[in-house]
Amino acid sequence: ILNVEQSPQSLHVQEGDSTNFTCSFPSSNFYALHWYRWETAKSPEALFVMTLNGDEKKKGRISATLNTKEGYSYLYIKGSQPEDSATYLCAFPSYNTDKLIFGTGTRLQVFP
Amino acid sequence: EPEVTQTPSHQVTQMGQEVILRCVPISNHLYFYWYRQILGQKVEFLVSFYNNEISEKSEIFDDQFSVERPDGSNFTLKIRSTKLEDSAMYFCASSADWPNTGELFFGEGSRLTVL
Repeated sequence: ILNVEQSPQSLHVQEGDSTNFTCSFPSSNFYALHWYRWETAKSPEALFVMTLNGDEKKKGRISATLNTKEGYSYLYIKGSQPEDSATYLCAFPSYNTDKLIFGTGTRLQVFP
Repeated sequence: EPEVTQTPSHQVTQMGQEVILRCVPISNHLYFYWYRQILGQKVEFLVSFYNNEISEKSEIFDDQFSVERPDGSNFTLKIRSTKLEDSAMYFCASSADWPNTGELFFGEGSRLTVL
């Protein structure tokens, strides 16, 4: 059974702090790794879809790296702001299927 | 900006009743999905729909569940006889590409409470 793990489960940081969290996924039959940002009462929103080993993607203060050989991805937020408070989900497409397998998410709370 | 819309946002129903959850995916997308999240658990795949038919379904998606795209715009999930364990947030999503390469666009979800 394919499993995607995220850590930590929750994180509380002060405004201005930089933070990072981890997604671990099966390293075999890798196609892609998705990161989504899910604010309370809103829809999950795609941040990145990463496909290449060693890939690094950036969107504003948020960046992500990918290591497909060892099966992990890091998401970094530089200078966290209260509006970054959300649950960050990673998801892994199961081999040769349509479905994404999601991790449990990391709930980030940024205090002013 | 195009978005996926879902109705209702919240539905409360009695066990055994039929429920229909509605979604309007992004118009030029080709792949459509239903996912759900039971409180405290992971988001889990239910079904994918492509080319006007079910492409794939999970073991959760038994005979009590069905999906339709009746008019080329709406995409519905029907639960024929709801059970207590069907209580969850149901998300519709669509994508232009296969999820191995393309991002999914999610709606805000429909919260189903079965009493």
